[in-house]
Amino acid sequence: GQQVMQIPQYQHVQEGEDFTTYCNSSTTLSNIQWYKQRPGGHPVFLIQLVKSGEVKKQKRLTFQFGEAKKNSSLHITATQTTDVGTYFCAGTGNQFYFGTGTSLTVIP
Amino acid sequence: GAVVSQHPSWVICKSGTSVKIECRSLDFQATTMFWYRQFPKQSLMLMATSNEGSKATYEQGVEKDKFLINHASLTLSTLTVTSAHPEDSSFYICSAKWGSGMNTEAFFGQGTRLTVV
Repeated sequence: GQQVMQIPQYQHVQEGEDFTTYCNSSTTLSNIQWYKQRPGGHPVFLIQLVKSGEVKKQKRLTFQFGEAKKNSSLHITATQTTDVGTYFCAGTGNQFYFGTGTSLTVIP
Repeated sequence: GAVVSQHPSWVICKSGTSVKIECRSLDFQATTMFWYRQFPKQSLMLMATSNEGSKATYEQGVEKDKFLINHASLTLSTLTVTSAHPEDSSFYICSAKWGSGMNTEAFFGQGTRLTVV
């Protein structure tokens, strides 16, 4: 089946530092979505990228979709404690698969 | 955003019994619903995809006779874990999309924590 891998699996940062998670698919994706899951909660939609090379920003978050539509990244500038959680990409080809996730811990 | 309600939020059952989990889209018609299971500190693993009125499509390795999925209406899908065993203990979560395409976001239920004793 479709493989969507994310790296790193875990990331600990000091508050104020930047954070990036990378998402790689074994196949070309129709689009990619990013979700955030707080501990004990359910995934919450953040954004969707559709076009090759697309870049979108949400305040301190920058999302990028690769030219080949097989990879994506999420970058958080100047992390805050509220950014804590697991970030998942979800790739859409024929189905809707989640990446392996990156768990972010922000140290105050 | 749209609301997806999942019930129950947690359940404890005895080994060998069956458990039904409901997933309802409250304010939109969910053409497609997805069922996932999530083990602690792991990602969401897609179990099956169901479209209203048709049989669910199961992922490789997921036993269709054990995890019965029914998507009888555009607002309700159910997952029944039959003859549950302790290894079925997990966090089960549904998500729903509207429309036939994949360019729409998925809305998630709150999840169901199943513990089989």
